[in-house]
Amino acid sequence: GESVGLHLPTLSVQEGDNSIINCAYSNSASDYFIWYKQESGKGPQFIIDIRSNMDKRQGQRVTVLLNKTVKHLSLQIAATQPGDSAVYFCAENFNTGGGADGLTFGKGTHLIIQP
Amino acid sequence: KAGVTQTPRYLIKTRGQQVTLSCSPISGHRSVSWYQQTPGQGLQFLFEYFSETQRNKGNFPGRFSGRQFSNSRSEMNVSTLELGDSALYLCASSLLGGRVNEKLFFGSGTQLSVL
Repeated sequence: GESVGLHLPTLSVQEGDNSIINCAYSNSASDYFIWYKQESGKGPQFIIDIRSNMDKRQGQRVTVLLNKTVKHLSLQIAATQPGDSAVYFCAENFNTGGGADGLTFGKGTHLIIQP
Repeated sequence: KAGVTQTPRYLIKTRGQQVTLSCSPISGHRSVSWYQQTPGQGLQFLFEYFSETQRNKGNFPGRFSGRQFSNSRSEMNVSTLELGDSALYLCASSLLGGRVNEKLFFGSGTQLSVL
């Protein structure tokens, strides 16, 4: 089946810089997208979501951009802090009308913050 | 409000045995989903329960099963364990789940090791 993927398994940034984590999805029928953050020993933690009728959504220090034309999703983290170190997953949801409707996750990008 | 609680936190079993994992969703949440997380396959959807009924199922063999109780608590069972079942099993809850686009709240998972 189709799946969500991420461009880079690891991303290293300097503390204080902005981080951009990218994700490419292949299912044009996907109508809902979520970014999760997973720290070592913990479950995924919700960061931000966006529906397919939007192309940008902002949260606290985070912005998600959705480009449906090229099926691309990105997460921007402003002024990266040490606590942002984690693995970031994008996930998509599409309603097939039957069968498995669970979220489809990408393989994750490990964000490393350099002091 | 308490988060999603999963027990036990760690589990070691041998091949051929069976195992039962438990999940208590956030109070008021009626949907419980289960995911398997491995380094090779990432996060994969197992199944979703709502009002004691399995509503959606991923592509896993019949050895993986689950159930949900009237208080929305859920259990998943894996019979005839194989080495490849070693993984982090994550439970997630949401208000409605299924074909409604809403964020999932994850527990910290049960780390299962099969020897």
